[in-house]
Amino acid sequence: NAGVMQNPRHLVRRRGQEARLRCSPMKGHSHVYWYRQLPEEGLKFMVYLQKENIIDESGMPKERFSAEFPKEGPSILRIQQVVRGDSAAYFCASSPQDGRMNTEAFFGQGTRLTVV
Amino acid sequence: KQEVTQIPAALSVPEGENLVLNCSFTDSAIYNLQWFRQDPGKGLTSLLLIQSSQREQTSGRLNASLDKSSGRSTLYIAASQPGDSATYLCAACGATNKLIFGTGTLLAVQP
Repeated sequence: NAGVMQNPRHLVRRRGQEARLRCSPMKGHSHVYWYRQLPEEGLKFMVYLQKENIIDESGMPKERFSAEFPKEGPSILRIQQVVRGDSAAYFCASSPQDGRMNTEAFFGQGTRLTVV
Repeated sequence: KQEVTQIPAALSVPEGENLVLNCSFTDSAIYNLQWFRQDPGKGLTSLLLIQSSQREQTSGRLNASLDKSSGRSTLYIAASQPGDSATYLCAACGATNKLIFGTGTLLAVQP
């Protein structure tokens, strides 16, 4: 059973370009969370998704950022018109969350975005 | 709003020493608390998960305790080894179904 898979592991974008980060949850997991870790800071919650549904996006910046988790395929975190301040490590986690709250979250290795 | 704090921010100990990392949270209405390890430039590895109904969990040389009433959790590492050097993060999960992380404790175990 493969763990949470994120790709790419490293991504370099010029200012103004778009960044697309992908996350495939663990097999059998239907809930995905995205977190951002800025340099020298802790992990901050961004968005919580279920298949075809955004549950909680309270941590998402209001502009340029969007996330989806389609019925088929990985979850995508999309950042439009990237700026240097978007440079960070973006982590994805998944959990089974089949109606129970007390479930463990498993994290991917992260995508390190560098905006030049 | 849940806030999680970890003390100390950094810790350096000689190999073989037992140590305690501290985590405090402001909202005691949590479902569980998780401890993670993060190596430089790497992802998070789950170490221990304590459910709200539990007082402690053990895995090898690691023992985590939870005191909901006081809003505290500790991670005890016995007989530390250089390979234990990493950043240790605690995270609380509540009714919002999302993990709220502390800023971590950077541990260095000197050989």
